[in-house]
Amino acid sequence: EAGVTQSPTHLIKTRGQQATLRCSPISGHTSVYWYQQALGLGLQFLLWYDEGEERNRGNFPPRFSGRQFPNYSSELNVNALELEDSALYLCASRPRAANTGELFFGEGSRLTVL
Amino acid sequence: GENVEQHPSTLSVQEGDSAVIKCTYSDSASNYFPWYKQELGKGPQLIIDIRSNVGEKKDQRIAVTLNKTAKHFSLHITETQPEDSAVYFCAASRGGSSNTGKLIFGQGTTLQVKP
Repeated sequence: EAGVTQSPTHLIKTRGQQATLRCSPISGHTSVYWYQQALGLGLQFLLWYDEGEERNRGNFPPRFSGRQFPNYSSELNVNALELEDSALYLCASRPRAANTGELFFGEGSRLTVL
Repeated sequence: GENVEQHPSTLSVQEGDSAVIKCTYSDSASNYFPWYKQELGKGPQLIIDIRSNVGEKKDQRIAVTLNKTAKHFSLHITETQPEDSAVYFCAASRGGSSNTGKLIFGQGTTLQVKP
């Protein structure tokens, strides 16, 4: 069974540009989570999507947005990039109707903002 | 607000020794406490978890203890091996009717096991 896949693995942008990161969850998983892992700050919760809707978001500005498609894949968009947006962006998925339990993480997309 | 504090930030042990990592959470409604291991270049992977109705759980060389009154939980690794070297994260979340869907992670502990 394929795990959570993310693309691109690396992305380099300049300040003010926009970045789009993509995630495909494990087959059968409907919930997708996005986390930001900046150096020394652990994993910070960004967004939670389930059944195509945004269910919760973390303490990030509105320029961080995303969506979930009918096939449950997801996209994270970061507008007006700032230097401090440089981080590893991790996507995770969870089975249908599992409020808690294991999150299955992808290997992440590393975004560098110059 | 929701917060999880994790200590120590780095831990170096000799192969065969034990390692203990401690976490404290602030949200008293938290009832699910997983531990994740992240190896270099990979995403975090669940190694053990515990729910609030249990005080201790063990799986071979790893164990987790939970003290709900003190809002503390700890990871214990016995007979450490070089392949245990990684970054370990604790986390806490709510479930059930107050589910927010998110895990609140600690800052991580870099464990180095010296051969």
